[in-house]
Amino acid sequence: QLQLQESGPGLVKPSETLSLTCTVSGGSISSSSYYWGWIRQPPGKGLEWIGSIYYSGSTYYNPSLKSRVTISVDTSKNQFSLKLSSVTAADTAVYYCARQELGQDFDYWGQGTLVTVSS
Amino acid sequence: QSALTQPASVSGSPGQSITISCTGTSSDVGGYNYVSWYQQHPGKAPKLMIYDVSNRPSGVSNRFSGSKSGNTASLTISGLQAEDEADYYCSSYTSSSTQVFGGGTKLTVL
Repeated sequence: QLQLQESGPGLVKPSETLSLTCTVSGGSISSSSYYWGWIRQPPGKGLEWIGSIYYSGSTYYNPSLKSRVTISVDTSKNQFSLKLSSVTAADTAVYYCARQELGQDFDYWGQGTLVTVSS
Repeated sequence: QSALTQPASVSGSPGQSITISCTGTSSDVGGYNYVSWYQQHPGKAPKLMIYDVSNRPSGVSNRFSGSKSGNTASLTISGLQAEDEADYYCSSYTSSSTQVFGGGTKLTVL
C-alpha cells in the first residue's frame, strides 16, 4: 500500500523559507505514470494546489506562487521536497503531499502537516 | 488562475440525493475531461471520490457519481448517509498545465 509522509518544521519565521519533504513508501517515485504534488489548506479554508513534479525533474507551479516555490525530487531516497521562500502569515496552512496521475487527479495523500508562520 | 466555483453549502436528509456543482471556464472544466472530486472529513486528508469526470476509484461507493455539461461539473450523492457529511472539493486540469481546486462545499446531512 502506497504511503506518503510529510516532514519538516512546524514553525517558520516571517520572511524565511519553508522547507518540507515528502517520503514515499510502498512504491517508487520513479514511476513513469505519476507526478508528485504539494497542496495546502489554510485553517478553515479550501485547498490550493502549489505545484507538481515528475521523477525526471519537470515541474509545474501555481502561477500565484511560482516566484516563491521550488519543488525538487530525490529518486535515490524516494522523496520530493517543497521550498517556499519569503513566507508570511498568509502561508500558514496544512501542507499535503500527494501522488498525481499524469498531471490530473490526486489519488494518494499524506496525512498533512501544519506549518505556522510566526515570529 | 481563479478557483472553480462551488456552492458554500448543501444539505439533505438521509436517503435523499444531492448534487454539488462546480463551475469553471472553457480553459479548465469545459476544455478537458479531467475533473476530480474529493471528500474531506474534519482533520483528515482529502479522499479521491471521482476522477476523469465520472469514474470511481476502487472502493468508493456507487452512490457517488459525476457528470459534466459545458463548463460545469457535478457530483451527485444518492441515498445520503450520515457518514457522507463532509466537505467536498472539485478540481480540474487547466490549459496552462496546472491544477485548480474549487472553493469547497460543506455537505450537511439533516
